[in-house]
Amino acid sequence: EPEVTQTPSHQVTQMGQEVILRCVPISNHLYFYWYRQILGQKVEFLVSFYNNEISEKSEIFDDQFSVERPDGSNFTLKIRSTKLEDSAMYFCASSEDGLYRNGYTFGSGTRLTVV
Amino acid sequence: TQLLEQSPQFLSIQEGENLTVYCNSSSVFSSLQWYRQEPGEGPVLLVTVVTGGEVKKLKRLTFQFGDARKDSSLHITAAQPGDTGLYLCAGRLVGGTASKLTFGTGTRLQVTL
Repeated sequence: EPEVTQTPSHQVTQMGQEVILRCVPISNHLYFYWYRQILGQKVEFLVSFYNNEISEKSEIFDDQFSVERPDGSNFTLKIRSTKLEDSAMYFCASSEDGLYRNGYTFGSGTRLTVV
Repeated sequence: TQLLEQSPQFLSIQEGENLTVYCNSSSVFSSLQWYRQEPGEGPVLLVTVVTGGEVKKLKRLTFQFGDARKDSSLHITAAQPGDTGLYLCAGRLVGGTASKLTFGTGTRLQVTL
């Protein structure tokens, strides 16, 4: 079964530092997403990415955040200057196409702890 | 205000019992999905429902999409310990983009022997 791979599984960083979360989506998928889940809260949409550009972003995804697909396989989320409230599980997901009837494949997540 | 409310929030039952989890909204969704999430893992897709009134079965799990596409239910027959986990509904709003999923508040299920 193809899977979405995320690294690292856990990252601890100091407030104000930059972090890059990495994801390898399923190879034939064309749409990529980042979601986050703060402990005890619901999963929240951050951003969607298609054809090398952001197709939609939420109000959470401010100027501190950026996404990139630097090569044909990786999809990264960068947080430029981390804040304590950025501590959360960050999930990458991909889908074969953007059709509303199709689901996503999620990775296992990166637990980001900002201290 | 939560767009997708799930009930109950927590459910602890014994093996063999039946249960139903509800996912309700005042908004209309073009599609709705159910996921199960284990601790420390990402959500895993169980099913997608698209048509109002649609019923889908996955072994002992039965999913229904409301006629008005505002709500959904998940019924588990003869629950087993392996069913333990966090159940999430997630939908795409009508008029919204296909790319954004709105997640529900989640139902944590524990099935004991």
